[in-house]
Amino acid sequence: DTGVSQDPRHKITKRGQNVTFRCDPISEHNRLYWYRQTLGQGPEFLTYFQNEAQLEKSRLLSDRFSAERPKGSFSTLEIQRTEQGDSAMYLCASSPDRVNEQFFGPGTRLTVL
Amino acid sequence: AQTVTQSQPEMSVQEAETVTLSCTYDTSESDYYLFWYKQPPSRQMILVIRQEAYKQQNATENRFSVNFQKAAKSFSLKISDSQLGDAAMYFCGYGGTSYGKLTFGQGTILTVHP
Repeated sequence: DTGVSQDPRHKITKRGQNVTFRCDPISEHNRLYWYRQTLGQGPEFLTYFQNEAQLEKSRLLSDRFSAERPKGSFSTLEIQRTEQGDSAMYLCASSPDRVNEQFFGPGTRLTVL
Repeated sequence: AQTVTQSQPEMSVQEAETVTLSCTYDTSESDYYLFWYKQPPSRQMILVIRQEAYKQQNATENRFSVNFQKAAKSFSLKISDSQLGDAAMYFCGYGGTSYGKLTFGQGTILTVHP
């Protein structure tokens, strides 16, 4: 399967713990996006990268959230000191340059107890 | 800021019939892209159809077509000959020309009855 992959698929954590999610984009896609989706809602943009450069961050991305794409390939999204309100599906998407279509991964479902 | 509104939380259709999902958006840009994505239960989002705002002709992909009304900022999706596999959450999305973020509506759950 050469689609976008995300790991883990599910994560249950206790409030106050740190969690890290990984996204592997489609090979040679230089743009990578993170979204958050709560139950019954549409995805909300968090941040995106072109290669290793983080080009835009949503105000939804509080100081507890950090994303990296160190070598322009895979990306990680870390949430520090998790809160119950962080419970959501975290989606990753990628796209090739100069193509306005995003290919989504299966998501990581986070539950904060 | 751009906004996307889907006013139909749920829709249903009989198998083999036609259904139309509504979407309106707000933007001050003259050039942009509009999308319909499908999200089946517990599965990832996939692109159904895409429309470039500068194109007057409505996009069509097999049984899926759109009615793009730029002046009214309306972008509806018509599904013809509905199939059981069309059952999913459908999201309308807006994207700018800089290949950045997509802005999505709240979604419409489509149920297909056999």
